[in-house]
Amino acid sequence: GAGVSQSPSNKVTEKGKDVELRCDPISGHTALYWYRQSLGQGLEFLIYFQGNSAPDKSGLPSDRFSAERTGGSVSTLTIQRTQQEDSAVYLCASRQTGVQGDTQYFGPGTRLTVL
Amino acid sequence: AQSVTQLDSHVSVSEGTPVLLRCNYSSSYSPSLFWYVQHPNKGLQLLLKYTSAATLVKGINGFEAEFKKSETSFHLTKPSAHMSDAAEYFCVVSDRDYKLSFGAGTTVTVRA
Repeated sequence: GAGVSQSPSNKVTEKGKDVELRCDPISGHTALYWYRQSLGQGLEFLIYFQGNSAPDKSGLPSDRFSAERTGGSVSTLTIQRTQQEDSAVYLCASRQTGVQGDTQYFGPGTRLTVL
Repeated sequence: AQSVTQLDSHVSVSEGTPVLLRCNYSSSYSPSLFWYVQHPNKGLQLLLKYTSAATLVKGINGFEAEFKKSETSFHLTKPSAHMSDAAEYFCVVSDRDYKLSFGAGTTVTVRA
């Protein structure tokens, strides 16, 4: 079946602009995660959605970052007033919950460049 | 809290020779551990996982890893490296919500 998809694959924006990054998880996966991969910080957790529960936002680096998940499926990560340090690859992963639900499957990522 | 330390930032091997990537973990409970691989300009792919079953875990492409609780280690090995193994490898530990903490990564180069 289809894997996790993300769009756009690349995004170049100017400092101060807002950006939206989209993630389509694997169908039926109720858990969804956002991570960021940057040269200086490596791979780091940002936010986690599980079903209808309140998201775990403990990894968001500032209040300029937010995310939502509509209908328990598609998720959008929004970065407001982008800064150059926001330049990174943003990765989305989804996980099936239940007995076999210990593996996260990653999308190809969105490469964000803030000029 | 949980964390992983990858002991080598870069490993270079000759094709056909063994590969060893070292990883130590820290966790306040029995952890779930993973190795992911990332080829250049590609996404993260799961190689193998340990989730409290057998301590010797076999993964894809001939890789395996052994969970050693006494040493808090989860080293990744492959008996014979192939050119296609050139990539970056991440040792990963998860918390109870499966939020992943990644090691800094080990870049593997394979010499012909």
